[in-house]
Amino acid sequence: DQQVKQNSPSLSVQEGRISILNCDYTNSMFDYFLWYKKYPAEGPTFLISISSIKDKNEDGRFTVFLNKSAKHLSLHIVPSQPGDSAVYFCAASGTASGTYKYIFGTGTRLKVLA
Amino acid sequence: NAGVTQTPKFQVLKTGQSMTLQCAQDMNHNSMYWYRQDPGMGLRLIYYSASEGTTDKGEVPNGYNVSRLNKREFSLRLESAAPSQTSVYFCASSERSAGLIYGYTFGSGTRLTVV
Repeated sequence: DQQVKQNSPSLSVQEGRISILNCDYTNSMFDYFLWYKKYPAEGPTFLISISSIKDKNEDGRFTVFLNKSAKHLSLHIVPSQPGDSAVYFCAASGTASGTYKYIFGTGTRLKVLA
Repeated sequence: NAGVTQTPKFQVLKTGQSMTLQCAQDMNHNSMYWYRQDPGMGLRLIYYSASEGTTDKGEVPNGYNVSRLNKREFSLRLESAAPSQTSVYFCASSERSAGLIYGYTFGSGTRLTVV
């Protein structure tokens, strides 16, 4: 049972345009969410986080939106750059368990076209 | 800072062989994790250690054992490797609750092939 789902395996966007990556989750106990970026042959690197008490968090070109009622979060990248081409993973955690472990989605491969 | 160091980077095993994947972090983090990445499956948690002296199963623990040797080191052992364990393995660490906000620091991975 996949608790965190990224239904789009891949996405192509023109340089300078907005990239929108989506993520859905099923467990209403999740209250922290992260996005990671992964380049080939490297480990994932942390990008941005959001807690369930917020519906938006921004960091430069990256904004994460959280819709708790829909159990949906999205990552917006504006403007998209060729260096953003990577696989993006969303992840969710439920603090009620006290373990702070994250469940990851299957990833979306973003390709930014120059 | 080296961050999270994993060894080896690549390994080929024959079915039934055993091996240990090593992981060490130099950030004084309390929590450490082992994930595997497979095509179409994302990152799946194998085992984790919330703090020194404790280990717990994740989503896919079968066929693996772990040892939290000390605060720095967390090893993953395959006792009898199977082709289904062909994967890329990532070790990660975090400072417990701070990891919720700042995420984990991942190593660069071990690519394991079982033939």
